[in-house]
Amino acid sequence: KAGVTQTPRYLIKTRGQQVTLSCSPISGHRSVSWYQQTPGQGLQFLFEYFSETQRNKGNFPGRFSGRQFSNSRSEMNVSTLELGDSALYLCASRGQAGYNEQFFGPGTRLTVL
Amino acid sequence: TQLLEQSPQFLSIQEGENLTVYCNSSSVFSSLQWYRQEPGEGPVLLVTVVTGGEVKKLKRLTFQFGDARKDSSLHITAAQPGDTGLYLCAGPTTDSWGKFQFGAGTQVVVTP
Repeated sequence: KAGVTQTPRYLIKTRGQQVTLSCSPISGHRSVSWYQQTPGQGLQFLFEYFSETQRNKGNFPGRFSGRQFSNSRSEMNVSTLELGDSALYLCASRGQAGYNEQFFGPGTRLTVL
Repeated sequence: TQLLEQSPQFLSIQEGENLTVYCNSSSVFSSLQWYRQEPGEGPVLLVTVVTGGEVKKLKRLTFQFGDARKDSSLHITAAQPGDTGLYLCAGPTTDSWGKFQFGAGTQVVVTP
């Protein structure tokens, strides 16, 4: 079974621009969560989507948004980029079987200049 | 908020030595997951512990879940350079299904 895929792997943007990141979960998984990881803050939860609906949201400003499509693929959008948005953005998918485990993609490294 | 505290933050050892990483909370978790992450990559799930007092072994790695399900430990026997990485513990929160709490991680460096 293929794992979680994220595109692109690397991205360089400038302040004020917007960016869209994509995540394809493991086949059959309907839950997709997004995390921001920085050296100072660790892994921070952004939001979770399940069956095209946002089910949970972390404490991030409205510039961070997401959506999920009917095939469970998810996108995350960040508008009006700030220098502090430079981070590794991770997507995790979760199925309904097993022990409620999350499986992560390789991440997208976003650098804001 | 169900916080997970990991200790130590950083561990540097020689190949062949043993090490233990701790993950503690004042809250009960229904399960805890352990991940290993290498630079620039996503965390890879190592194990999930579910039952209080449970011990799981994965080759040279031994995972234990506390009896009260508030803490967990990861012990590596005869560490190898391939064990180098950031070890993270995580657990589902009780306030919202699908939301997970992560520890800050323990950076392990094993030198030959």
